[in-house]
Amino acid sequence: DTEVTQTPKHLVMGMTNKKSLKCEQHMGHRAMYWYKQKAKKPPELMFVYSYEKLSINESVPSRFSPECPNSSLLNLHLHALQPEDSALYLCASSPGRGTEAFFGQGTRLTVV
Amino acid sequence: GEDVEQSLFLSVREGDSSVINCTYTDSSSTYLYWYKQEPGAGLQLLTYIFSNMDMKQDQRLTVLLNKKDKHLSLRIADTQTGDSAIYFCAERGNAGNMLTFGGGTRLMVKP
Repeated sequence: DTEVTQTPKHLVMGMTNKKSLKCEQHMGHRAMYWYKQKAKKPPELMFVYSYEKLSINESVPSRFSPECPNSSLLNLHLHALQPEDSALYLCASSPGRGTEAFFGQGTRLTVV
Repeated sequence: GEDVEQSLFLSVREGDSSVINCTYTDSSSTYLYWYKQEPGAGLQLLTYIFSNMDMKQDQRLTVLLNKKDKHLSLRIADTQTGDSAIYFCAERGNAGNMLTFGGGTRLMVKP
């Protein structure tokens, strides 16, 4: 099983809403990531969790709040987003440093 | 910081070989990756190469690495219309878990 599962696949939310994106992997990977991808651009790293601890926060605004409840799950809590936050949000996992990363299919987020 | 560059676009005919090129600047890169992204989908890991290798072959895919010139290429033999997608190269430095992506090359395969 080399699958990273993200839910929901699509999400439309208003600027005053609170929502969460979910990511799950059962490969025993100890590093998990959130990336943001705008159209026709490469993915941009947002957060890295290593052994369930936040190890990298790439200066992401506080309206994005990551959470890693256990080694298989990664959430991204969203609050008071702006229309420019509309993008494809990708979750990835890897066994650890220096190894391949597997990506989920992404959540297409639209902020209205 | 690290930089990864790719050409924007490549068009080939079905059955031909495709070669997608990538250059990077981080001399401490440990692994280099090729990902494929179809419209509206996530990134699919195609293959990767460790920095002490210079070639890796996997069915129709051949990865060549010139570490001296910091140049990576992906050759797709017998390209099919289903290979049409955006291809991203990415590198992982020695410093941590981060991947640095190139801007992506859009491959168009004409029948």
